[in-house]
Order: sequence, then structure tokens, then C-alpha cells
Amino acid sequence: NAGVTQTPKFRVLKTGQSMTLLCAQDMNHEYMYWYRQDPGMGLRLIHYSVGEGTTAKGEVPDGYNVSRLKKQNFLLGLESAAPSQTSVYFCASSPGTANTEAFFGQGTRLTVV
Amino acid sequence: GEDVEQSLFLSVREGDSSVINCTYTDSSSTYLYWYKQEPGAGLQLLTYIFSNMDMKQDQRLTVLLNKKDKHLSLRIADTQTGDSAIYFCAESMGGSYIPTFGRGTSLIVHP
Repeated sequence: NAGVTQTPKFRVLKTGQSMTLLCAQDMNHEYMYWYRQDPGMGLRLIHYSVGEGTTAKGEVPDGYNVSRLKKQNFLLGLESAAPSQTSVYFCASSPGTANTEAFFGQGTRLTVV
Repeated sequence: GEDVEQSLFLSVREGDSSVINCTYTDSSSTYLYWYKQEPGAGLQLLTYIFSNMDMKQDQRLTVLLNKKDKHLSLRIADTQTGDSAIYFCAESMGGSYIPTFGRGTSLIVHP
């Protein structure tokens, strides 16, 4: 049971480049989330999805887009990367019940130069 | 986010008890969580407490919940060097099932 898998694990982008981060979960969870983690800022929610075909904005959505075409996958896109998007990105999923235990991927360390 | 607040650092000696504190704002949170993040890894659920409980004990871990003050604490007994990590408090906001995390407390355990 793989749980939540993120790809890639590391990436360096030049300012203005685009990329997509992939998150896959095999637990049949309804809810999926993208967070970014920055020193001293904790985890901030970028976007989330409460089911296949639905997405919603979180706390810091600007500069990012997401898609949930299949229940098991949640993609995070950066259309035009900026140095301020240098961060560690975490994907998580949860069943979407009152007990919202979240299961996290290992993270993607993104550097924008 | 600012809805959940934690101190950023805690340093303890090996063998002592550690107490990590958290305050939250949403009185309708049903579950409150403690997650642990080891270096270079994602977060893993350590323990959780249901909002109608005051205390939960799980081996070396004790969670205390004061609903009146919206205060949650995690006590680790006999702290070991392997407990060094970042600990995140989290709540689920009013039925939204979206976990909101504090900034995390870095626990440093020294000999």
C-alpha cells in the first residue's frame, strides 16, 4: 500500500518556467490537498478538492492551478514560476469524514531561480 | 495559519518530559490532531483527540484538551533523541473537513 505518492521529489526551475506536480493516492480518499511549507510559516493550504472533478481555493492560491480529473490524482500546476514559489510542497488526502486524519506524501522540494 | 498557534521551539534534555502547547480558535472543531514531521519527510499523524474528551493517553504520549480555553497540549514522557522533530497541532474547521495546521513546534532533545 503506497499511500500518497508525489512526483517529482526535487526540481529546480528558472523564473517563468512552468511545471506540474503530481500527487497520487491509492486509499480511495475523497479529499485531497496541496500545502506549501516555508520556514516559520508552517503549512499553508494552496488548493483542495472534495471529490473528483471539483477543486477549491485555499489560503494561498495565487500563481497555482489544480485539477482533479481522476479521484486518485491531484495535480498542482505552476504556469509561470516565481522565486517566491520556492518551497516544499506537500500533497495530502483524507477520507472526507468528521475524522479528517490526513495522509501526507513525502514532499517536493522546488527551487525557482 | 493564524487560527492555530504554537510556540516555534522547545528544547529539552533527554529523559525529561516535553510539553508542547497549542491554542485554536474554532470551537466547533470535532477532532484535534498532533502530527510529527521528521527531517526530510512528510507529516505523520501522532495522535488525535475527540472534542468531547479531556484527555487521551497513548504510551508515552498524553494529550490534554481544555475546550473552555481552546487549549491543546501534547506531553511526551521520557523524551528521547528520536523524538526530535517538528510537531504540528491541527484542527478541522467547523464541518469543512479541511485540516488547519499551526506553524509547528521544533522539539530539540539534547543529551
